[in-house]
Amino acid sequence: EDQVTQSPEALRLQEGESSSLNCSYTVSGLRGLFWYRQDPGKGPEFLFTLYSAGEEKEKERLKATLTKKESFLHITAPKPEDSATYLCAVRGPTDSWGKLQFGAGTQVVVTP
Amino acid sequence: DGGITQSPKYLFRKEGQNVTLSCEQNLNHDAMYWYRQDPGQGLRLIYYSQIVNDFQKGDIAEGYSVSREKKESFPLTVTSAQKNPTAFYLCASSVRMRTGELFFGEGSRLTVL
Repeated sequence: EDQVTQSPEALRLQEGESSSLNCSYTVSGLRGLFWYRQDPGKGPEFLFTLYSAGEEKEKERLKATLTKKESFLHITAPKPEDSATYLCAVRGPTDSWGKLQFGAGTQVVVTP
Repeated sequence: DGGITQSPKYLFRKEGQNVTLSCEQNLNHDAMYWYRQDPGQGLRLIYYSQIVNDFQKGDIAEGYSVSREKKESFPLTVTSAQKNPTAFYLCASSVRMRTGELFFGEGSRLTVL
């Protein structure tokens, strides 16, 4: 079965301390990799879509990159408001259009 | 403002009771979804619908039922057949089925006593 694994499970950063989150996947024939942000007790909020290796997307302090087997979410000079759980999801070739496979997420805490 | 409204936010149920979670969207989206979230696990798809009067089972449909009588509404019923219903339930919608850009509601937390 296709799997999506996110690491680390949790990450504690000082304000301004840049870091990266990892999302590795086993699906072949990827039809999209998606990053979401989720605040406690809320629904996820869409951040990025990546389709092919080498692709990069940026939004404020966040930058997502994609290789053939993994994606990274880089957080540059984070602020406390970047604290959230970041979710990665993929769609494989056999997944019907409505189905995304989500990882368990990385919980990020940024302290002042 | 456009968005997805889920209700209730918190719900307590006794074992053996059915419960229905409401999901309404005013985004004019064709596709709607129900996901379940448990601690330490990724979101898992329960049901999804591409158009009115049509819906498909996801990975964990057993013990759940849905209807799609209106484009704006996609209620989820958690039946007594669902063995472990305590979870955080998320409704989502998208412009069309071919996108992974889902718009989520704020969720409903169901606790079975």
